[in-house]
Amino acid sequence: AQSVAQPEDQVNVAEGNPLTVKCTYSVSGNPYLFWYVQYPNRGLQFLLKYITGDNLVKGSYGFEAEFNKSQTSFHLKKPSALVSDSALYFCAVPGYSTLTFGKGTMLLVSP
Amino acid sequence: SQTIHQWPATLVQPVGSPLSLECTVEGTSNPNLYWYRQAAGRGLQLLFYSVGIGQISSEVPQNLSASRPQDRQFILSSKKLLLSDSGFYLCAWTPGGTVYEQYFGPGTRLTVT
Repeated sequence: AQSVAQPEDQVNVAEGNPLTVKCTYSVSGNPYLFWYVQYPNRGLQFLLKYITGDNLVKGSYGFEAEFNKSQTSFHLKKPSALVSDSALYFCAVPGYSTLTFGKGTMLLVSP
Repeated sequence: SQTIHQWPATLVQPVGSPLSLECTVEGTSNPNLYWYRQAAGRGLQLLFYSVGIGQISSEVPQNLSASRPQDRQFILSSKKLLLSDSGFYLCAWTPGGTVYEQYFGPGTRLTVT
């Protein structure tokens, strides 16, 4: 079965510092991978996806993600965090009928 | 462009009362539609999905039901709410024939008292 794991419940980073939110995957065949962000009391918003091609994928709001096949990882990154980046982040992989989401990682960016 | 609407935005209902949440999508046809619940905490639980009018698949046996009376309308219902039905309900859609890149509505916060 296709699955993703987000090993961190929470990530804390100071504004202006780089951030990384981790995701590892377990899929058969070539992986399709997604990142979503959820602000408080809002629906999820699509950030970026990896289908094929370059291992570094650029997405919305200055985020990017690095696909690493040997480590089966798809970590979300941003060079300089903003307080407004504080939110809940989900990685996801296609399942049989829908996307299978990780449990989510809360990102807290302090001023 | 496509948009997805959910209403109401918030709802407080007593135990044992009925429920009807509505989701509609504009700007596309024959979408796949999904209902999720997000309990306090964070994880997303898929409740129902639909690939067409009248076609509903249930992922979790529970107190809820779903219907798709029109191509771009998805309704979540209950005859008698339980306390455990409280949560944040999210509707999502994808282009028909794919599970990629789901687009989510703004959600409905349901509190059962």
